Amino acid sequence: DTAVSQTPKYLVTQMGNDKSIKCEQNLGHDTMYWYKQDSKKFLKIMFSYNNKELIINETVPNRFSPKSPDKAHLNLHINSLELGDSAVYFCASSLRTSGSSYNEQFFGPGTRLTVL
Amino acid sequence: GDSVTQMEGPVTLSEEAFLTINCTYTATGYPSLFWYVQYPGEGLQLLLKATKADDKGSNKGFEATYRKETTSFHLEKGSVQVSDSAVYFCALSTSFGKGTSLLVTP
Repeated sequence: DTAVSQTPKYLVTQMGNDKSIKCEQNLGHDTMYWYKQDSKKFLKIMFSYNNKELIINETVPNRFSPKSPDKAHLNLHINSLELGDSAVYFCASSLRTSGSSYNEQFFGPGTRLTVL
Repeated sequence: GDSVTQMEGPVTLSEEAFLTINCTYTATGYPSLFWYVQYPGEGLQLLLKATKADDKGSNKGFEATYRKETTSFHLEKGSVQVSDSAVYFCALSTSFGKGTSLLVTP
């Protein structure tokens, strides 16, 4: 099936640990994103890559580091996890935007991170 | 920068009621506008979109019209069903509204 997939779906870990979330899309898109959704469902952009180049880097603690090995993959590594990092993290992809207009994004199923 | 403001819920309606979820935006240029829907435990999926002023996006009985003069993109449905219960997000570029939770009761 064509889709955006994320692993793992659930991640429970202790404060201070380092963890990674992987994302893959087979839609042929050239732009990928990471979003954080908090407990109130508020969705905030964290990073975006276009053709492996970082194009959006919002105000996010530098404990979060994205890596895009190729156009189809965008991983998120988090160092020294804190309680406030608990959230659902969504990966998304789209075709390259044109001027000020973005194309529709396709979202993965999310990774629920719980930091104890 | 770009931003979206949408009415906050939760919204509770009886089946077959009329739905409106308000959304206004601030943007430079003429961006495409989107409504996404998120069902419990799932990722967001595109519900409808409009790419230019006066365009009407529609899908599954939902509609929204891109109004440049009022910078609005309100979501409407004439008769909601229990299966429409979800969280709805208005969006432009990577800016999403805070989401409106809709619960439709039988």
